[in-house]
Amino acid sequence: GQQVMQIPQYQHVQEGEDFTTYCNSSTTLSNIQWYKQRPGGHPVFLIQLVKSGEVKKQKRLTFQFGEAKKNSSLHITATQTTDVGTYFCAAPFIIQGAQKLVFGQGTRLTINP
Amino acid sequence: KAGVTQTPRYLIKTRGQQVTLSCSPISGHRSVSWYQQTPGQGLQFLFEYFSETQRNKGNFPGRFSGRQFSNSRSEMNVSTLELGDSALYLCASSTGGGSTSTDTQYFGPGTRLTVL
Repeated sequence: GQQVMQIPQYQHVQEGEDFTTYCNSSTTLSNIQWYKQRPGGHPVFLIQLVKSGEVKKQKRLTFQFGEAKKNSSLHITATQTTDVGTYFCAAPFIIQGAQKLVFGQGTRLTINP
Repeated sequence: KAGVTQTPRYLIKTRGQQVTLSCSPISGHRSVSWYQQTPGQGLQFLFEYFSETQRNKGNFPGRFSGRQFSNSRSEMNVSTLELGDSALYLCASSTGGGSTSTDTQYFGPGTRLTVL
């Protein structure tokens, strides 16, 4: 089954509006990573969160890790056309006795200029 | 440092054929992971190699195999291709020295495989 649920699957906004994507797990996560994939490109690492309640900012991007370490969010303030792409969260899980990085299904962001 | 490189970038094959994809990791990275990306299934982990040994494996049939060489370069092989194998195959490298595949993944541009 899917260990990491990411919502929404798609989001369309007007340029200048805010955007948020959420990542949820039923189990406590040791850490969570966020990646961005531009159309036609490959995933690029954005950030890793490790501590409970951690908040990190990268310019207009704000990343949060929940207090229970079961959810995370990525918030973009005042979107720009350069923010277009699919945003993935990823977290480690023990599967068949080995630790693997599992990616969420991604949130595809499109922007109306 | 040069990024992760993958060859070829595009490939068209027919059902029943086999294919070999190549990945050169970032210099100094010892771990190479392979992922399959499709619109319906998202990013699916195939396997990870570290120091020429398969350290982790996803839930793919035995037609999917890989190997890693002493210089950390890796190849992935898919035999008896099926239509459903059409996908973007991404290779990612990491230092690999930490907790296995939870290290930050640096992805290559991918190989777009089309099976006809």
